[in-house]
Amino acid sequence: AQTVTQSQPEMSVQEAETVTLSCTYDTSESNYYLFWYKQPPSRQMILVIRQEAYKQQNATENRFSVNFQKAAKSFSLKISDSQLGDTAMYFCAFMKPSNTGKLIFGQGTTLQVKP
Amino acid sequence: GAVVSQHPSRVICKSGTSVKIECRSLDFQATTMFWYRQFPKQSLMLMATSNEGSKATYEQGVEKDKFLINHASLTLSTLTVTSAHPEDSSFYICSAREGQDTGDTQYFGPGTRLTVL
Repeated sequence: AQTVTQSQPEMSVQEAETVTLSCTYDTSESNYYLFWYKQPPSRQMILVIRQEAYKQQNATENRFSVNFQKAAKSFSLKISDSQLGDTAMYFCAFMKPSNTGKLIFGQGTTLQVKP
Repeated sequence: GAVVSQHPSRVICKSGTSVKIECRSLDFQATTMFWYRQFPKQSLMLMATSNEGSKATYEQGVEKDKFLINHASLTLSTLTVTSAHPEDSSFYICSAREGQDTGDTQYFGPGTRLTVL
């Protein structure tokens, strides 16, 4: 069975600085998808970034980028120029396309951006 | 972007009553919807996968007779918590997949906070 591990329960960063959130996963699959979702205090889940395992290029979305290391089964999220609105809980998620598309979430990392 | 709504956003009910939560995809058709449960400061736990026109697939340990899921149309899925008890109090979140491909992105509703007295 696939598992997703986020080893940092809480992190903090100063506004305008850069922070990296860690995520590792365990799977025997070769084709899969990885996601980072953000859950701010409103509790609305928001897709931050998505990576397809067969693509070697790391995904980027504005200030958000990932470091996808397939062999190491690592999928970290880097947030550049952190903003107060980035304060949220961040979830890493794994999806195996052949398995109805259900998401397997990590435990989450609470990120606090300080002014 | 794709929008998913949930109604109600919060509900308080007495023990023993049933509560229905609606999940709607507003600007796309969702052949598959998912229902999650989340406890405070914890991760999302998948309860069931709902496909339009067919029975839901429940995750291990989720009581199908207690959590009734109906996906009667391509834009609406409902979760009914039957004979609710205080231990059912939680935050319930639905998501909907926009395309037919299982790799397509899921979009989440804003959640429903259920409190059972």
